[in-house]
Amino acid sequence: DTGVSQNPRHKITKRGQNVTFRCDPISEHNRLYWYRQTLGQGPEFLTYFQNEAQLEKSRLLSDRFSAERPKGSFSTLEIQRTEQGDSAMYLCASSLAQTRGHNEQFFGPGTRLTVL
Amino acid sequence: AQTVTQSQPEMSVQEAETVTLSCTYDTSESDYYLFWYKQPPSRQMILVIRQEAYKQQNATENRFSVNFQKAAKSFSLKISDSQLGDAAMYFCAYRSSLLGTDKLIFGTGTRLQVFP
Repeated sequence: DTGVSQNPRHKITKRGQNVTFRCDPISEHNRLYWYRQTLGQGPEFLTYFQNEAQLEKSRLLSDRFSAERPKGSFSTLEIQRTEQGDSAMYLCASSLAQTRGHNEQFFGPGTRLTVL
Repeated sequence: AQTVTQSQPEMSVQEAETVTLSCTYDTSESDYYLFWYKQPPSRQMILVIRQEAYKQQNATENRFSVNFQKAAKSFSLKISDSQLGDAAMYFCAYRSSLLGTDKLIFGTGTRLQVFP
């Protein structure tokens, strides 16, 4: 399978615990994005990387959230001291950045987080 | 800041008929991209169609076409000859063409039901 993969697909945790999600992009893609989607809403941008550099972060990405892409391949998104409001689907996408024009973002299946 | 509005939470159509999903957006930029994404139940989001703002011609992809009205900041999606497999959430999205940003801004979505 050459698509974007995310693990785990589902995560249930108790309030106050830390969780980490992983995203593996399409192999030749140099950009990787994280979005959050709550029930009844469209995805909201969190952050994106070009290779290992984090180029843009949303104000939604509070101090409890951290994302890394250490070798420019897979990425992890960690949420510390989870709150019930963090319950959402976390989507990862990847793209091949081009010097001109639009680079299509391909989405993974998401990780559904439930905070009890 | 740019915003995307989808005012139809749900739409329904009979198989083989045509349906139009509405989207409006707000931006002060003159060059940008607009998209329609499809998110089937429990499946990942896929790109349906894309429109570059500098192009006057409306984009078409098989049974999917758009009506892009730049002055009115309107971007509707027309699905012709609807099929059962078209049932999904449809999200309208905006992307700036400015360097240094590469995020998609989504609307809240329209749930499309297709009846046989």
